[in-house]
Amino acid sequence: NAGVTQTPKFQVLKTGQSMTLQCAQDMNHEYMSWYRQDPGMGLRLIHYSVGAGITDQGEVPNGYNVSRSTTEDFPLRLLSAAPSQTSVYFCASSYSRDAGNTIYFGEGSWLTVV
Amino acid sequence: AQSVTQLGSHVSVSEGALVLLRCNYSSSVPPYLFWYVQYPNQGLQLLLKYTTGATLVKGINGFEAEFKKSETSFHLTKPSAHMSDAAEYFCAVSSYNQGGKLIFGQGTELSVKP
Repeated sequence: NAGVTQTPKFQVLKTGQSMTLQCAQDMNHEYMSWYRQDPGMGLRLIHYSVGAGITDQGEVPNGYNVSRSTTEDFPLRLLSAAPSQTSVYFCASSYSRDAGNTIYFGEGSWLTVV
Repeated sequence: AQSVTQLGSHVSVSEGALVLLRCNYSSSVPPYLFWYVQYPNQGLQLLLKYTTGATLVKGINGFEAEFKKSETSFHLTKPSAHMSDAAEYFCAVSSYNQGGKLIFGQGTELSVKP
């Protein structure tokens, strides 16, 4: 089972560049989300989606864009990268937005902005 | 608003000793509580969760946690540490009205000495 797949695993960007972090899940999950992980701060929610065509902002959405055209895919776009966006990014999914559902995480994407 | 505090960013135990990782939460509604483990350069894996019912929850790898409403705590324990338990552990909270959104603590890094 592939589960939640993220690409790329590592990326170095220059300030001002744009890029897309890809996320795909093969579990037919309705709910998908993106988190960023920074030292001493745990994980913080960037954006989430409760189904195809529906997205909403999380705790730290500025500088990021998302779309959900299919159930399987939930890409995260950095519009103009800044050093403050250096972080580890995790995509996650769950069966539905029921809070009791288990949330499954991808392996992470390490992004450095120089 | 919900929040999570993990006491101790780093905990060190000897192999075979008791593991105790502390988590306190704040929530104005009944919480759903989770413990995740992250091994180096990997994603997060669910150890256990509490939604409703029995307050002592058993998880994978011999870990368990007890929900104590009066103390607003959800501490993680394991009777005997193993070298393979060395990882970072995250406590997280959600609730029925938060959908799939998790609020994470800062994380606790567990070291296990031989």
